[in-house]
Amino acid sequence: SQELEQSPQSLIVQEGKNLTINCTSSKTLYGLYWYKQKYGEGLIFLMMLQKGGEEKSHEKITAKLDEKKQQSSLHITASQPSHAGIYLCGAAGGQGAQKLVFGQGTRLTINP
Amino acid sequence: ETGVTQSPTHLIKTRGQQVTLRCSSQSGHNTVSWYQQALGQGPQFIFQYYREEENGRGNFPPRFSGLQFPNYSSELNVNALELDDSALYLCASSLGGYQETQYFGPGTRLLVL
Repeated sequence: SQELEQSPQSLIVQEGKNLTINCTSSKTLYGLYWYKQKYGEGLIFLMMLQKGGEEKSHEKITAKLDEKKQQSSLHITASQPSHAGIYLCGAAGGQGAQKLVFGQGTRLTINP
Repeated sequence: ETGVTQSPTHLIKTRGQQVTLRCSSQSGHNTVSWYQQALGQGPQFIFQYYREEENGRGNFPPRFSGLQFPNYSSELNVNALELDDSALYLCASSLGGYQETQYFGPGTRLLVL
């Protein structure tokens, strides 16, 4: 079965600094989703990547998909307190499957 | 357009009891997926319903069961509760197509004593 590993597991950065979160899959990625979760709450959809080399941006968050490396990265530029939370990557299960397999999450803390 | 809603927000039960969690899907969505998220872990897929039929199941025992209604809302039922069932239960709705994005509700936090 497919497994996703996120690194780092937790991250503390100074406000205004850039940061990167990685997500590595044990199998081929057919689609990769990034979600953000405030502690104990639901997941907020950030973006979805489908093709190798694809890159998407929303405000100060950029995600890339390296299909050959079975890896995705999430980069935040000039971090703000509103970026704090848990970031989760989720992979589509393959052809015809809609279930998502998630990584364990990366807890991001922004210090003022 | 209303988002995904879940009820109740919190619930406390004792071992051996039964529980029903409810989910209303986002307007226009015909697919509902349920996930269990233990503390400090990523969500684990329980099962999915598409147009009132089960459309895939994760590695959960039969005491986890579900329903989807004609209006595409859904229920998750758990019988014979165990301490390890304590978790955040998340419902997500989507359109019934390949790689359609799943939109999550706020979750129901279940504590089993």
